[in-house]
Amino acid sequence: EPEVTQTPSHQVTQMGQEVILRCVPISNHLYFYWYRQILGQKVEFLVSFYNNEISEKSEIFDDQFSVERPDGSNFTLKIRSTKLEDSAMYFCASSRRLAEYQETQYFGPGTRLLVL
Amino acid sequence: LAKTTQPISMDSYEGQEVNITCSHNNIATNDYITWYQQFPSQGPRFIIQGYKTKVTNEVASLFIPADRKSSTLSLPRVSLSDTAVYYCLVGDEGSQGNLIFGKGTKLSVKP
Repeated sequence: EPEVTQTPSHQVTQMGQEVILRCVPISNHLYFYWYRQILGQKVEFLVSFYNNEISEKSEIFDDQFSVERPDGSNFTLKIRSTKLEDSAMYFCASSRRLAEYQETQYFGPGTRLLVL
Repeated sequence: LAKTTQPISMDSYEGQEVNITCSHNNIATNDYITWYQQFPSQGPRFIIQGYKTKVTNEVASLFIPADRKSSTLSLPRVSLSDTAVYYCLVGDEGSQGNLIFGKGTKLSVKP
């Protein structure tokens, strides 16, 4: 069964450093998403991406965040200058189409980011 | 998007049937009801989706009464590996792609 993969599984960084989290969505999916989950809290939507542009973003997704699909397979989340409060599990997801409540989103295993 | 209410936690024993009920009093006509499961340190995983009456797959059943103001996820004969957080989500095709997760129900299955 095809699955979403994410690298790295864990990332430790110093406050103020840039990090890039990588995802390989399922190959025939067209819509891509990033979510985050702070330890012990809810899964929160960050951004959705389609046709090489952002479809929607949440209030969390400020100017420090950016997403990119640099090639036909990877989907990346960049945090330009990390803050302590960016420490969380970051999940990538993909779906075939946008009707998200009717269309299953497939989540990756996540990247645990720790900002020191 | 319809707001959902579900129990914070539930306990069960191996082999029992578990029913988790979700309330969504202001569900709209076009809204579907979707349940996701999340194991510790993993991403959420789709379990089941329905619009009305009953839906069954190899993992669970979903019961939706006629008024659609609630739904019940039924897990038959749970095992220890079913210990997870279960999320009820309600929304329609008009939404822009983001899933809105609540706090979910933390199910603990004991031996």
